[in-house]
Amino acid sequence: EPHLVESGGGLIQPGGSLRLSCAASGFTVRSNFMSWVRQAPGKGLEWVSLMYNDGRTHYADSVKGRFTISRDNSKNTVYLQMNSLRVQDTAFYYCARVDGAMVNWFDPWGQGTLVTVSS
Amino acid sequence: DIEMTQSPSSLSASVGDRVTITCRASQSISVYLNWYQQKPGKAPNLLIYAATSLQGGVPSRFSGSGSETDFTLTISSLQPEDFATYYCQQSYRFPWTFGQGTKVEVK
Repeated sequence: EPHLVESGGGLIQPGGSLRLSCAASGFTVRSNFMSWVRQAPGKGLEWVSLMYNDGRTHYADSVKGRFTISRDNSKNTVYLQMNSLRVQDTAFYYCARVDGAMVNWFDPWGQGTLVTVSS
Repeated sequence: DIEMTQSPSSLSASVGDRVTITCRASQSISVYLNWYQQKPGKAPNLLIYAATSLQGGVPSRFSGSGSETDFTLTISSLQPEDFATYYCQQSYRFPWTFGQGTKVEVK
């Protein structure tokens, strides 16, 4: 059964950097589309980034140029490198597999990791 | 960006009630619409994909309908475990966007 586990969250000062990890099991990340979605505490869901199986990427405008999605096929892990962090980046960050051939959806999701950007 | 608007933002209902949540897209998205359920402190969980298809393992009391700009999630008979927040999401065009959520609370 596919399963995702995120790690790497924590407290970071504005302007700092952090790398989130998403370890997958039950499927291979290199053969799937993978995505990050975030949720500020008490708020709604916001799509952040996506990586296709061919390596192409997409980003939300709010993180473009600051965040980078990548993967390590040997570790079956997806990463989100977050640079120049802002207070408004504070959120739970979820990793999700993107399923579907024409219509795409998120399934499954990891349990999330909390990133707090504060001085 | 495609804006997704859910209504209502919250509702109060009783066990056994029929519950309907609507989601409107700011432009046509065909059937590129998914529904998720989120319980407090947990990750979202896929309920319906491609507007009408029930995800495996999801109870049949959940159903989805609609196309183009107007979509509906229906819970035919609300159960205690269904009190949660529900989100719609479009994957028609980047950036993929979510509705603001509908919280289903105990009446």
